[in-house]
Amino acid sequence: AQSVTQLGSHVSVSEGALVLLRCNYSSSVPPYLFWYVQYPNQGLQLLLKYTSAATLVKGINGFEAEFKKSETSFHLTKPSAHMSDAAEYFCAVSDGSGYALNFGKGTSLLVTP
Amino acid sequence: ETGVTQTPRHLVMGMTNKKSLKCEQHLGHNAMYWYKQSAKKPLELMFVYSLEERVENNSVPSRFSPECPNSSHLFLHLHTLQPEDSALYLCASSQEIQGGWVYGYTFGSGTRLTVV
Repeated sequence: AQSVTQLGSHVSVSEGALVLLRCNYSSSVPPYLFWYVQYPNQGLQLLLKYTSAATLVKGINGFEAEFKKSETSFHLTKPSAHMSDAAEYFCAVSDGSGYALNFGKGTSLLVTP
Repeated sequence: ETGVTQTPRHLVMGMTNKKSLKCEQHLGHNAMYWYKQSAKKPLELMFVYSLEERVENNSVPSRFSPECPNSSHLFLHLHTLQPEDSALYLCASSQEIQGGWVYGYTFGSGTRLTVV
């Protein structure tokens, strides 16, 4: 069965610092993996996705993620945080075992001046 | 109009009321979903429709009743709700590739429901 674990429910970084949000997955087959961002009182917006092509995936707003099969990880990074990056971030997985994505519990990113 | 549209954006209802949430997608997707998002809780999958057939129902109380009349529209009918049902209700759509592989969702902006 597919599942994801997001380490750290809250992450705080300074403006201009590296952003690293962690996601580990559990799946019996190579999965599809996704990162979504949610701003307050809005729906979730797709940042990027991995669907078995290049392992380094670039997304919107300067974010990228690397699929590492050996570590069963799909961590999200951004070289330099902006105040506007403050939001909730969700990792999700699909491995063909169901009709829906399986979401992590989310990580709240705080960016301080 | 493109994307996934949810109406209303905000809804306040009494515990004895009956109301409906509406979701509409203009993306040509073949699967639609209802999620509940409560404060400080993970996303909860409620219902899944694939090709207009309900394929998943995650032990949701009967006071929530979904309806999918066609591949572009999804409703969530609400009746005799409880205060703990207050939450953000999110609709999403997706295009399956083959047999259960989900190629990612497009979400609506959600309906903020308050039960008084």
